[in-house]
Amino acid sequence: AQTVTQSQPEMSVQEAETVTLSCTYDTSESDYYLFWYKQPPSRQMILVIRQEAYKQQNATENRFSVNFQKAAKSFSLKISDSQLGDAAMYFCAYRSDYGGSQGNLIFGKGTKLSVKP
Amino acid sequence: DTEVTQTPKHLVMGMTNKKSLKCEQHMGHRAMYWYKQKAKKPPELMFVYSYEKLSINESVPSRFSPECPNSSLLNLHLHALQPEDSALYLCASSQDEGREVAKNIQYFGAGTRLSVL
Repeated sequence: AQTVTQSQPEMSVQEAETVTLSCTYDTSESDYYLFWYKQPPSRQMILVIRQEAYKQQNATENRFSVNFQKAAKSFSLKISDSQLGDAAMYFCAYRSDYGGSQGNLIFGKGTKLSVKP
Repeated sequence: DTEVTQTPKHLVMGMTNKKSLKCEQHMGHRAMYWYKQKAKKPPELMFVYSYEKLSINESVPSRFSPECPNSSLLNLHLHALQPEDSALYLCASSQDEGREVAKNIQYFGAGTRLSVL
């Protein structure tokens, strides 16, 4: 079974600085998808970025980028120019390439990010 | 429009009450999900509906009863709940459950905060 590990329960960053959140996963599959979701105090889970395992190029979305290391099974999220609105719980998630029940999201335990003004 | 609407936002109920949670999306998505999230934990999948048919029930107690009256609407009927059922209940939807990542990205609502007294 696949597992997702986020080893940093809490992180803190100064406004305008850069922070990296770690995520590792365990799988025997070669094709899969990885996601970072953000959950602010408003509670809504918001998709931040996604990565297809077959793509070598790291995904980027504005100030958010990932460092995807397939061999190391690592998928870290870098937030540049941190803003107060980035403060939230961040969940790393894995999804198998299979459809149906095998394709459900598997979440890590989350990292709570605080942004200091 | 990537909006998933959940009502009510907050619900307090006694252990003998019957209540329902509602989730609505108008994105034409054919897969809808119920998750339960305890404080400081990741979401846990409860049910998945695919094309209005229940496709996954993650061994959820029968006091939780899902219903999908049409492709836009998902209900969760609650009866005889226990205090330990107090949690945030999240609804999500995706285009379908298929393998294509563009179609299986899940969009979440803001949740219903449930308290069982």
